[in-house]
Amino acid sequence: SQQGEEDPQALSIQEGENATMNCSYKTSINNLQWYRQNSGRGLVHLILIRSNEREKHSGRLRVTLDTSKKSSSLLITASRAADTASYFCATGNSGGSNYKLTFGKGTLLTVNP
Amino acid sequence: NAGVTQTPKFQVLKTGQSMTLQCAQDMNHNSMYWYRQDPGMGLRLIYYSASEGTTDKGEVPNGYNVSRLNKREFSLRLESAAPSQTSVYFCASSVTGGKDQPQHFGDGTRLSIL
Repeated sequence: SQQGEEDPQALSIQEGENATMNCSYKTSINNLQWYRQNSGRGLVHLILIRSNEREKHSGRLRVTLDTSKKSSSLLITASRAADTASYFCATGNSGGSNYKLTFGKGTLLTVNP
Repeated sequence: NAGVTQTPKFQVLKTGQSMTLQCAQDMNHNSMYWYRQDPGMGLRLIYYSASEGTTDKGEVPNGYNVSRLNKREFSLRLESAAPSQTSVYFCASSVTGGKDQPQHFGDGTRLSIL
């Protein structure tokens, strides 16, 4: 069963604009991770935010986490055509298997030159 | 820096045939995973290996078997392929198996079952 659900399913923007993707989840988590997947490739880890953190930055990426709303957002600033990819959130749930990440269905981001 | 290498990249099988998907990592990671990715479904965990010598079922293990051959290699076997197993299969690894560990993915095996 899916834990994280990304919103929107697809997003199309112009180069230079900011892109915001959201992830909602249902149960308590230890951490939430964001991954990128370019067409025909594997997933690449972008950033991890722990349940006791509210915001984290990495280059042009900003991730926020609101555990009271069970939601996270990924902001990509000053987007580039190379940012075109699918973006997935993955949650490490409190309790349960210590090894299981649960992935959402992803947001397809298209950045037009 | 190869990371996680999967072979083959593409494969077409007939229903009932068997096949082993290979995965190797060169990062000295302890934990390895097999996922399948289907349109509109996200990634689903098939099996994982927390460390060399151990394997455990994930979310969708039926129809699959795995072998953790050594620390580097983790293979996935389809004994009798079915059309429902048409998917893209990803192998991943992490330093340890903790839920707070980033996972490193291979580029996938695209498998079609006719």
